[in-house]
This record gives sequence, structure tokens and C-alpha cells, in this order.
Amino acid sequence: DIQMTQSPSSVSASVGDRVTITCRASQGISNWLAWYQQKPGKAPDLLIYAVSRLHTGVPSRFSGSGSGTEFTLTISNLQPEDFATYYCQQASSFSPLTFGGGTKVEI
Amino acid sequence: QVQLQESGPGILKPSETLTLTCIVSGDSITSAFYWGCLRQSPGKGLQWIASVRVGSTYYNPSLRRRLTMSLDTSKNQFSLNLTSMTAADTAVYFCARDSSGSGAYWSNWGQGTLVTVSS
Repeated sequence: DIQMTQSPSSVSASVGDRVTITCRASQGISNWLAWYQQKPGKAPDLLIYAVSRLHTGVPSRFSGSGSGTEFTLTISNLQPEDFATYYCQQASSFSPLTFGGGTKVEI
Repeated sequence: QVQLQESGPGILKPSETLTLTCIVSGDSITSAFYWGCLRQSPGKGLQWIASVRVGSTYYNPSLRRRLTMSLDTSKNQFSLNLTSMTAADTAVYFCARDSSGSGAYWSNWGQGTLVTVSS
């Protein structure tokens, strides 16, 4: 399996801050990477796919970058509704698709 | 707008079989998209279980020997059977549709259903 390691596991931030979350793959995954946002009691929402492409309706303050094995999700100008847990997911291998352990963005 | 609704047993005893049914509205399960099942437990985070579309099925290798996923076109729903359930399978189970037909990313999710395995 391709292991996905996220850091940090949690981050404290304030409204208006810039937050950066890193995801490392145990082997190269080309650009097969997505980011999801999950709020308590809800299903994950797709934010970004193919490393840097914003899913429909996602605000432009979210951005993704990286290649190979290291990837970054950046949230600029953090808004109150952005406090949530974020997960990366690799899709290079269907055997199996795997997720990172999550990063909680809290106040 | 596609919507997915999970239907599950809530509680199962060890060794029983989970049947998770995903009812789809707003799209046909015979469309080009993949339909998937994923789960989330405190111990293991998010885990992809399986994906299916007409003519193609993918299973998580770690669960493959226990899994069957199928489409029911007459009811526009798909189902997952997971045999020999244990406490380690306790999780919130989600149904989802992929974003583009590649099966790679999941853009539409059900609300999830908690399945607890306990004697």
C-alpha cells in the first residue's frame, strides 16, 4: 500500500491566518492527489483534486501544490467555516486508494 | 444533484455479515461514474473499501476475501456485503460517487451510517 503521512496532526490558527498542511507519500504518485475537508458528524467534502485543481464551488483561498511524494494544502485568509479536519488521498494506485491520517485546524 | 443514502443494520454481532445498501437519486448507477464504499473509524481514519461501475469492480486487497459489491439497476442502488465482521470493522460507513469517472476522487457522499460490531 502507498502510505500517506500528514503533518502536522493539528494546528492552531486564527481567522485571517495562512495555514499550510503537508502530505507525504511513501512512493511517487505523480499528480494523483486530492484534499478533503471534514466537519464533525459530516462526510468529507472534496476540495482539490489532481494536486491543484479546485473542485466546483471551492473558494480560491484554498490551493494545492507539489509533485512526486510531497504535497501541500494552503488555506489563505482562514475563515471561521474553515475550522475542520483535512485529509489527503492518493489515487495513483487503486490497490488500494489510501488517505492520510488527517490534520485538525482549530482555533 | 446526485444524492446517496446509506442503509445499514446499525448493530451486528461478531461473525455476522454486513449488508450496506446505497440508494442513489439524481443519477443512474449505470452512468460512467464509479460508485464506492468507504469507512471511518477512530483507530484507522478514512479507509476506501471498494468501487464499482458497470463492468468493473475494485476491492481493497486487505478486505477482498470478505467483500462482494454489486449493482441493482432495477432499484438504482448498489450494495456491499462484508462477511465475518469483528469489532475492528466498527465504523461509520459511507457511500460515494466519484468526481469524473476515473474512480480516483470522491465528490458526492452520503451522510454515513454507523455500524457497531458487538456481542
